Order: sequence, then C-alpha cells, then structure tokens
Amino acid sequence: AQKVTQAQTEISVVEKEDVTLDCVYETRDTTYYLFWYKQPPSGELVFLIRRNSFDEQNEISGRYSWNFQKSTSSFNFTITASQVVDSAVYFCALSEARIKAAGNKLTFGGGTRVLVKP
Amino acid sequence: EPEVTQTPSHQVTQMGQEVILRCVPISNHLYFYWYRQILGQKVEFLVSFYNNEISEKSEIFDDQFSVERPDGSNFTLKIRSTKLEDSAMYFCASSEDSEAFFGQGTRLTVV
Repeated sequence: AQKVTQAQTEISVVEKEDVTLDCVYETRDTTYYLFWYKQPPSGELVFLIRRNSFDEQNEISGRYSWNFQKSTSSFNFTITASQVVDSAVYFCALSEARIKAAGNKLTFGGGTRVLVKP
Repeated sequence: EPEVTQTPSHQVTQMGQEVILRCVPISNHLYFYWYRQILGQKVEFLVSFYNNEISEKSEIFDDQFSVERPDGSNFTLKIRSTKLEDSAMYFCASSEDSEAFFGQGTRLTVV
C-alpha cells in the first residue's frame, strides 16, 4: 500500500524567509508519480508540480523548488523568499502507475499549513 | 483554459436526506474521481470511474454512495441518507493521464 507522510503540521515564518516542506513516501511500485498541491484559504486545490519516479532532477519554478531523492523516498518542497500570499496548506501526493483501466488515484499526505507573517 | 467545474459550491442538508453533487469534468478526459476532505484533515480518495464504470473505490465509499455519468458531460456523486460525519469538502477531479485536475470543491454541511 502507498503512504505519504508530511511530518510538519504547521510552519510559521516571517516574510522573506525560506521555508522547506518535507514529504516522505512509501510505495512498492518502481513507477510512480509525485505531486505537490497548494490549498489556499479559499479551499481549492491548486496543482504545483508532478514528477515521475524516473526523473530525479531537481526543479525550480520561480520561488519554488523541489528536491526529489529516491534513495530516501523524499520529495521536499522549498519556497524561497516567502510572501504572505504563500500562506496555505500544502499537500504532497503519490500516484502509482496503473493499468489503463484503473486510473491514477492520489494518496495525499496530511498537509503542512504554512503561515507567512508580514 | 479548460477546467473542472462543480456545483453547488456549498450545500446544506438535513441528516437523512439525499444529496447529489455535480461535476463537469474536462471534456477530453477519460478518468473521473471523487475525493473527500473533512475539515482540517487530509484529502481522501473515494472512487475512480473509467469507461462508464467504477474502476476503484475506497473503504469510505460504501453503499451509501453512488456515482453516475448520466450524459456525456456530467459526473455525479450521490449520497443517500446523509449523516453528520458526511460533512466535508468534496472534490471532483478528471485526468487524461497521471495529472488530475481538480474542481473547486463542494462544501457539504449536514445538520
């Protein structure tokens, strides 16, 4: 069975500080996908990134960066120079590659609430 | 940009009543999903739907729940005889492959 653990339930930072969110996953599959979603106070789920298990290159998108380490089953997310608008709950999720008919259900971690204070 | 739309955004219902949550997935997507998020908790998978049938369901998705794609565009989640613990945000999602696109959610409040 697959499992995603986000050990940090809440992180509070002051604007312009960097914040790193940890994500550790468990899966028996060799092919899988990892995701990060942002859930702002308005409640919707905003897709941030998808990585497949064969691509361990780190990725940077603006102030966001992701560090995928297969050896430690981790997919950490860093927000650089945080802003108040980054305040949200961030979810890490895992999807195993399935047969065509099964689709790709997501298993979510418990989420990390990030509070950025001005 | 195509998006998944859900209606209503908020529904209040009395315990024991039936509710139908509606979703319009992205038109060329093949896979459809419902997820649930109880307030303050994580997002949980309920059911996936492909080729006009359920492809997978979780333990949460018991006989109280059903899904349907009544026409070519809508995807519905029916909850029969709602209970207080059904109060949650319900998200619909659709995908063409591994990337799921989520709707904005329906907040269901059972009183």
